[in-house]
Amino acid sequence: DAGVIQSPRHEVTEMGQEVTLRCKPISGHDYLFWYRQTMMRGLELLIYFNNNVPIDDSGMPEDRFSAKMPNASFSTLKIQPSEPRDSAVYFCASSFRGRGSYEQYFGPGTRLTVT
Amino acid sequence: AQSVTQLDSQVPVFEEAPVELRCNYSSSVSVYLFWYVQYPNQGLQLLLKYLSGSTLVKSINGFEAEFNKSQTSFHLRKPSVHISDTAEYFCAVVFQGAQKLVFGQGTRLTINP
Repeated sequence: DAGVIQSPRHEVTEMGQEVTLRCKPISGHDYLFWYRQTMMRGLELLIYFNNNVPIDDSGMPEDRFSAKMPNASFSTLKIQPSEPRDSAVYFCASSFRGRGSYEQYFGPGTRLTVT
Repeated sequence: AQSVTQLDSQVPVFEEAPVELRCNYSSSVSVYLFWYVQYPNQGLQLLLKYLSGSTLVKSINGFEAEFNKSQTSFHLRKPSVHISDTAEYFCAVVFQGAQKLVFGQGTRLTINP
């Protein structure tokens, strides 16, 4: 398997623009997680899905952030409008909970810079 | 409250020296424990995990961690580090009944020649 795929790897945008980050989880995995990593706040869980259904979005910082998972092989994280404080590395991770496994597999991340 | 604490934000060591990265958690329920490693400009990779059974778990590259229930700890150790071990290490916990990983703040391991 190719692992978790994220695109784009780097995104530079201006304040006020819409940003869409994409994630393809590992085939067969039933959980998908979105994280944000910054120097100041470390690694934060934003939202996670189980079988394409959002389960916990308590980490989403504000209404400017939204996430969708229209099918088992694709998820998006959208920021509209973007602000400089949204600059961070955004990671997607997936996992399969069968047989009591809890480990998550991370994608390479999208480095977002908002100017 | 359920939490994970990595006591050291940075650990500098000399090459071939031993290292211990500390992780403690707070919980009244059972836990599953993980160490992840993040090399520069990369995503997180699972290093090792404890779900049940033997409290000492090992990775393929010489790291080991021991689950100590009485101390609520899961410290990571390596007897002799290499330059290639330079990375950030994250301790993570799944608390029984929950579905998500709770990460510690991370420890940056720097290896000096």
